[in-house]
Amino acid sequence: KNEVEQSPQNLTAQEGEFITINCSYSVGISALHWLQQHPGGGIVSLFMLSSGKKKHGRLIATINIQEKHSSLHITASHPRDSAVYICAVSKGGSEKLVFGKGTKLTVNP
Amino acid sequence: DAGVIQSPRHEVTEMGQEVTLRCKPISGHNSLFWYRQTMMRGLELLIYFNNNVPIDDSGMPEDRFSAKMPNASFSTLKIQPSEPRDSAVYFCASSFYGATEAFFGQGTRLTVV
Repeated sequence: KNEVEQSPQNLTAQEGEFITINCSYSVGISALHWLQQHPGGGIVSLFMLSSGKKKHGRLIATINIQEKHSSLHITASHPRDSAVYICAVSKGGSEKLVFGKGTKLTVNP
Repeated sequence: DAGVIQSPRHEVTEMGQEVTLRCKPISGHNSLFWYRQTMMRGLELLIYFNNNVPIDDSGMPEDRFSAKMPNASFSTLKIQPSEPRDSAVYFCASSFYGATEAFFGQGTRLTVV
C-alpha cells in the first residue's frame, strides 16, 4: 500500500464547478504539500501546510492531522486549472518528499 | 531570480552511453533534490543534499547513478551506462533547509534508445 493515496485519479468538470481532490497518508509527517503539474511538465508548489487551512485565490487546502487526510478545493473552476495535482508529504524529521500518484483534472469550457 | 535551471531540457541517447544532467538551484537555497518521474511509478526522490552534502541517497536505483554537488550553485546527476529503463523526466528542486517548500526546475526529459 502506498504511503500517500490520492482520489480520484481522474476528474472531469465543467467550468464553474467546485472541485475537491483528496489525499490520505499513513505515516507521521512534518508537512503536507500540494503541487500542480501543467501539461508542459513544470511543477509548481501550491501549498505547504501542517495544520488547519490555507487559501490562495480560488484554491483552498485543508488538513486533518488526526485523520491523516487533506483536501484541495478549487472554487469556480476554469479550463486553465486543468493540470495534474500531486499530494506529497514530508515524513517527520526529514526533508524527503513522498508523493501520491496525482489527480488529473480536466475542466471543460 | 530565474528559478531552478536544469539542462538539457531534452536528451536522447543510446543505451550504454553516459548521460549527465545539470542543475543550478535558486541562489541562497541550501537544500537540493533530484527526482525522477515515470508513468508507472510517478515522482520519486533519488537523492538530496543539504549544504552540498548528500543526506539521503536511498532512492538512487543502482550504482549506475551518481550525483554530485561541488558547490552551492551547481549539481549533476550522472548515469553510466544508461539503459532504456532510465527513460524518464528528471526534476531538480531546491529549498531553504527547514522550510521544506521546494521550487522545481522544468525537468530534463531523458530518452534512452
